[in-house]
Amino acid sequence: EAQVTQNPRYLITVTGKKLTVTCSQNMNHEYMSWYRQDPGLGLRQIYYSMNVEVTDKGDVPEGYKVSRKEKRNFPLILESPSPNQTSLYFCASGSGVLSYEQYFGPGTRLTVT
Amino acid sequence: AQSVAQPEDQVNVAEGNPLTVKCTYSVSGNPYLFWYVQYPNRGLQFLLKYITGDNLVKGSYGFEAEFNKSQTSFHLKKPSALVSDSALYFCAVRPDMRFGAGTRLTVKP
Repeated sequence: EAQVTQNPRYLITVTGKKLTVTCSQNMNHEYMSWYRQDPGLGLRQIYYSMNVEVTDKGDVPEGYKVSRKEKRNFPLILESPSPNQTSLYFCASGSGVLSYEQYFGPGTRLTVT
Repeated sequence: AQSVAQPEDQVNVAEGNPLTVKCTYSVSGNPYLFWYVQYPNRGLQFLLKYITGDNLVKGSYGFEAEFNKSQTSFHLKKPSALVSDSALYFCAVRPDMRFGAGTRLTVKP
């Protein structure tokens, strides 16, 4: 089954404790991205990757890091989480062709206390 | 810079009535426009897209959208709403992949 998986689905952590949210896709997609969803703000792009070893900042990259060492994986790293990073996070993948839609993971709900 | 706007936070319709969820866009050049739906506790699912060609685009679950270049709009429509259509709907534009704030659709029996 074609899918985007994220782990964990739920995470409660404390300020400053490094964490990683994993994202994996099995569709051989070149393009992968991370979004955060906050009420009234829709989805905002954090980082995206056009292919292996190619990453770029989205609209809200501060406080986040990513890496793309393999085509299928695109982890999101919060090296020192803060309460304003409490949000619902989505990973997505798609063809590198701009006219193609994206496929979204189920989401990770992160709470930073 | 590209952007999309969804002017309504909430849309309420009765089951069986037609529904419209509005989206306007701002892009330079030709737009690639998308609609996604989010059901509770789920990720976003692709509904339909406009790339080029016919201004009326048909998508999943009986939804369609009308591209209007002069009004810079891409409204989502369905002739007869179902209770199961109740969800959060997002309009998006590429290549920058900007999303609107979302519109919560509630269909009442």
